[in-house]
Amino acid sequence: DAGVIQSPRHEVTEMGQEVTLRCKPISGHNSLFWYRQTMMRGLELLIYFNNNVPIDDSGMPEDRFSAKMPNASFSTLKIQPSEPRDSAVYFCASSPLTSGSGNIQYFGAGTRLSVL
Amino acid sequence: GQQLNQSPQSMFIQEGEDVSMNCTSSSIFNTWLWYKQEPGEGPVLLIALYKAGELTSNGRLTAQFGITRKDSFLNISASIPSDVGIYFCAGHAGGTSYGKLTFGQGTILTVHP
Repeated sequence: DAGVIQSPRHEVTEMGQEVTLRCKPISGHNSLFWYRQTMMRGLELLIYFNNNVPIDDSGMPEDRFSAKMPNASFSTLKIQPSEPRDSAVYFCASSPLTSGSGNIQYFGAGTRLSVL
Repeated sequence: GQQLNQSPQSMFIQEGEDVSMNCTSSSIFNTWLWYKQEPGEGPVLLIALYKAGELTSNGRLTAQFGITRKDSFLNISASIPSDVGIYFCAGHAGGTSYGKLTFGQGTILTVHP
């Protein structure tokens, strides 16, 4: 299996621009999670989906952030407009939610976002 | 909400030394997981624990699920330079949380050759 695939790996943009981060979960996994990692705040859960439906978006910092999962193999996290304080590494993770190893989350390599 | 306290925050050790880190929770977890994150990569699972009292090894790594279900520890024996990274504990509370994990703050491990 190819694992969780995120794109782009690096994104540099200017304040005010729209940013779209993409994630392809592991095939057959039915939960998907978006995280943000910074030195100050560590690993923060932003939003997660189960069977393509958003379950909890309470971690989304502001209305500028939105996430979609149009099908089981694709999700996006959008920031519009972006601000310098959004600079961080954004991770996507997926989980199979079966018995036994169901709670294990498998992470992508992340997208490093820099907003100038 | 649930919180995990992971300690220590960082460790600087010499190659060959043993390492121990732990996590404590304010509430009970049904699953404890330990992840390692290397620079420029996402966290990778090291060990998964599913039962109170369970002791599991993965090579030089050993982890235990605390009897109270509110804590877990990870030991690394005979550390080597490639053990460098950030180690995270994570817990799952069960119920209808759809696999949501609570993560510790991480332990940054530096190994001097």
